[in-house]
Amino acid sequence: SQTIHQWPATLVQPVGSPLSLECTVEGTSNPNLYWYRQAAGRGLQLLFYSVGIGQISSEVPQNLSASRPQDRQFILSSKKLLLSDSGFYLCAWKSRGAERNQPQHFGDGTRLSIL
Amino acid sequence: DAKTTQPNSMESNEEEPVHLPCNHSTISGTDYIHWYRQLPSQGPEYVIHGLTSNVNNRMASLAIAEDRKSSTLILHRATLRDAAVYYCILKYGGSQGNLIFGKGTKLSVKP
Repeated sequence: SQTIHQWPATLVQPVGSPLSLECTVEGTSNPNLYWYRQAAGRGLQLLFYSVGIGQISSEVPQNLSASRPQDRQFILSSKKLLLSDSGFYLCAWKSRGAERNQPQHFGDGTRLSIL
Repeated sequence: DAKTTQPNSMESNEEEPVHLPCNHSTISGTDYIHWYRQLPSQGPEYVIHGLTSNVNNRMASLAIAEDRKSSTLILHRATLRDAAVYYCILKYGGSQGNLIFGKGTKLSVKP
């Protein structure tokens, strides 16, 4: 069966520090991968998605970046965090090439607090 | 992208059925109706999806109006574990079928 792992579960970082959040998927090949952010009391916002290794599309301009160094690995990074980067970060995957209405499967998220 | 309208919150009693409504009057003919739910401090979880016919699975049922301008997610017997925010998502936005989440309905279940 397919599983998705995100780590860390929680993270507290000072303003201006770098960030690296990792997401890996097991039990499937060639998935579409997604990074979402959920600010406190708000809905989910799509940040990045990837349809293959090295292929990243950004939905919202910001000081975050994403990379996909391996088929089932998706990394969210920042060189210098801002206070507004605080939130709940979620990684998700979907079968690639499948009809567009296949469901997305989410990880348990990383709660990031910026001090 | 077509939009959905859901009540901000609903309450239910444990072991009673729950009907969660969603209006999507601008739905196009090829749009599927998806439902996800998000339990506190967790990532969203897929619940069900459909196009025109009513759908059933182990989690819930989806009733779609004949004109497809509205739909209802039905939890047949609510449990305390069903307390969550339920999102009705009408259309995958973007070229890769990305999800666009609204604010959803916060369901509270009373024992």
